[in-house]
Amino acid sequence: AQKVTQAQTEISVVEKEDVTLDCVYETRDTTYYLFWYKQPPSGELVFLIRRNSFDEQNEISGRYSWNFQKSTSSFNFTITASQVVDSAVYFCALSASAGNTGKLIFGQGTTLQVKP
Amino acid sequence: DSGVTQTPKHLITATGQRVTLRCSPRSGDLSVYWYQQSLDQGLQFLIQYYNGEERAKGNILERFSAQQFPDLHSELNLSSLELGDSALYFCASSVGTSGIYNEQFFGPGTRLTVL
Repeated sequence: AQKVTQAQTEISVVEKEDVTLDCVYETRDTTYYLFWYKQPPSGELVFLIRRNSFDEQNEISGRYSWNFQKSTSSFNFTITASQVVDSAVYFCALSASAGNTGKLIFGQGTTLQVKP
Repeated sequence: DSGVTQTPKHLITATGQRVTLRCSPRSGDLSVYWYQQSLDQGLQFLIQYYNGEERAKGNILERFSAQQFPDLHSELNLSSLELGDSALYFCASSVGTSGIYNEQFFGPGTRLTVL
């Protein structure tokens, strides 16, 4: 079975704090992709990153960074020096290669509130 | 703007009714996915079409059906609506179905309210 777990339901930080959102996944496939999406209060889903199972290099994009560790089946997302505009629901998702469908399996989401 | 369009943006209807949600994928994308976001179930995959053919089915109720037309737009039909069908319905599109071709771009969603 494939599953994504985001154990943190809600996180509240003060602006400029660093915050890490956890994501743990389960799959038996050896080839899979992991994603992070952001859902701001306006409701749309914004793509942030895609990572394939063969690339464990960490990635940094501005204030965002991602840590992929196959050994612990985790794909954590860190926001450095958080800002109020980062307030949103963040979803981690998994797409496994079996069946060649590309469908996404989402975690329950983590609501991040950044206070001024 | 993701390039994926969905209409209508909001839909309010009564129990027992039938509605159709429409999605136009990004230019060049062959794959269309439908997802449902509700408070109790979270974001769930419903169904996928690739170049006009059904590719995968998720937790889609029998009262729901979908199709993808030759121009690649897709429609999700929801019938015999129940209160529990109230949700945000997203459409997403991608070039293909796997690997680098599976970067899914989401439309703005259709918020369905069943009264």
